[in-house]
Parts: sequence; structure tokens; C-alpha cells
Amino acid sequence: EPEVTQTPSHQVTQMGQEVILRCVPISNHLYFYWYRQILGQKVEFLVSFYNNEISEKSEIFDDQFSVERPDGSNFTLKIRSTKLEDSAMYFCASSDGQVSPGELFFGEGSRLTVL
Amino acid sequence: LAKTTQPISMDSYEGQEVNITCSHNNIATNDYITWYQQFPSQGPRFIIQGYKTKVTNEVASLFIPADRKSSTLSLPRVSLSDTAVYYCLGRNSTLTFGKGTMLLVSP
Repeated sequence: EPEVTQTPSHQVTQMGQEVILRCVPISNHLYFYWYRQILGQKVEFLVSFYNNEISEKSEIFDDQFSVERPDGSNFTLKIRSTKLEDSAMYFCASSDGQVSPGELFFGEGSRLTVL
Repeated sequence: LAKTTQPISMDSYEGQEVNITCSHNNIATNDYITWYQQFPSQGPRFIIQGYKTKVTNEVASLFIPADRKSSTLSLPRVSLSDTAVYYCLGRNSTLTFGKGTMLLVSP
């Protein structure tokens, strides 16, 4: 069964450092998403991406965040200068968009710990 | 975006049928109702999606009344491995997760 894969599974970084989280969506999917979940809290939408541009973003997705699809397979989330409150599990998801809105397939997540 | 309300938690025993109801009073005409399951430290997993009436798949059934202001996820004969958080979402584009329902299945 095809799946969304994310790397790294866990990253520890110092406050102020840049972090890049990587995702390989399912190959024939066209819509890509990043969500985050702070420990013990709900899953929060960050951004959606379609046709090589951001289609929607939340208030959380401020100037310190960026997304990119550098090649045909990877989808990355960059946090420019991490803060303590960025510590969370970050989930990537993809969908083919069919049968609006379609099923979202989530990866296993990347746990980010900011010290 | 549809705001959803679900019970915070539910308890059940193995082999029982579990029904989790979600209210979404302001659901938009073009919103689908989607349910996801999440185990600790894992990404949410799609269970079922519907627009109206009843939808059934190999995992669950989803009942949506004509006014679409609520929906009920039905899990037949739950097992211990169904212990998880269940989210109801109204969705047209992005998914907005609420706090979900923590289902605890006991032996």
C-alpha cells in the first residue's frame, strides 16, 4: 500500500536554528499539506500546496515558515528560526483530490524538539 | 469552516457496537463530513466520508440525517485496538481538526 514518508522521525535543535522537515507524498497525489500537533493538543492545519504554490495557509504559518517542492517527489517544510513553541509533531499529508475533497493520507510525523 | 462538537471521551467493551455522534450545525452546503482516527504518536488515518444518508465501508458506517447538522460514526464490534481518538470534520478544502473523542475499549 502506498504511503507518505517523512524524515527525520525526530529532530532536536537549538532555538534560533533553521530546520527542514522532509516528506515524500504518494506518487500520483497532487495536493500536499502540513499539519502540526503540540503534545496533548489538537492537530492544527498549517498549509496546503497545489500546482507548485500555496493554496491555503493558517495564521500559524507566518513568515518563519516556508514550503517547497524542490523536485518531483519531495515536499519540504522549513522553519527559519525555531522557537521553543515550535516543538511539536509535524505531519505531512497528501491527497489526489478526487471525490472532493478526497481522503488525506498522513505520514507518521516528524517530532521536533526545540531546546 | 464547519465547527464540530463531539463528546470528549467514551468507554466501551470489546465486541460492542460504538456510536460516536458529532454535531456540525453550521456545515456548508458543499462540505463533506469526514472521520479520522488517530493513535498516539501517529498521523490521523481516514476512516470514512459522506455527504448525506448512509455510507458503509469495511471499517465503519456513517449516518447523516437529512438536515446534515449531525453525523454518527458507528464502529461494529470494537476491539482493544480501536482505542484511539476519533475526529469528525466538515470539510470542503482544508481539514480543521477539533479535539476529537477519546474512545477507550476495555476487555
